[in-house]
Amino acid sequence: EAGVAQSPRYKIIEKRQSVAFWCNPISGHATLYWYQQILGQGPKLLIQFQNNGVVDDSQLPKDRFSAERLKGVDSTLKIQPAKLEDSAVYLCASSFIQGETQYFGPGTRLLVL
Amino acid sequence: AQRVTQPEKLLSVFKGAPVELKCNYSYSGSPELFWYVQYSRQRLQLLLRHISRESIKGFTADLNKGETSFHLKKPFAQEEDSAMYYCALFSGSARQLTFGSGTQLTVLP
Repeated sequence: EAGVAQSPRYKIIEKRQSVAFWCNPISGHATLYWYQQILGQGPKLLIQFQNNGVVDDSQLPKDRFSAERLKGVDSTLKIQPAKLEDSAVYLCASSFIQGETQYFGPGTRLLVL
Repeated sequence: AQRVTQPEKLLSVFKGAPVELKCNYSYSGSPELFWYVQYSRQRLQLLLRHISRESIKGFTADLNKGETSFHLKKPFAQEEDSAMYYCALFSGSARQLTFGSGTQLTVLP
């Protein structure tokens, strides 16, 4: 089966600009996750969707970050405006249901200058 | 709140030597623990989870609730084991994974 797809793979922007990331989960996976991984740290969950509903967004900086999964399949994560500290790898993962094995995408590496 | 600690950022061993990657956790409930691995230029993937009690690629991990640890072990390291290893805890109440900061394992020839 095809794995989790993400695009773009790399993005360089200046601070205060906006950026969007896209994720296509494994077919049939109801749960989708966005993680932020800062250099030298483990992934940190930003938001979790169950189908097209948000299950947990407690660690999402909602003043600048937003995410949606309108049709319960693909998802986008947006940052507006970006700050220097947003430089990180943004990982998307999916699982068949909550609590089951999470499968990760290749990530999008963001550099904010 | 749950927390996962991996005290070693870097670990080097020689091929054929035993290897142990340490993981300690803090969690008030019944923990479900995982090890994830990321090989060079590959995506993060599940290595093993404690409830399955499987041995994957020769690695095992035993949950020690008394010491709140879930150390990853392999009796004879191979060069292809060189990778970044993350310990993670699944919180049943929050239904989310909390990752440690990772240990970069290098197996020397």
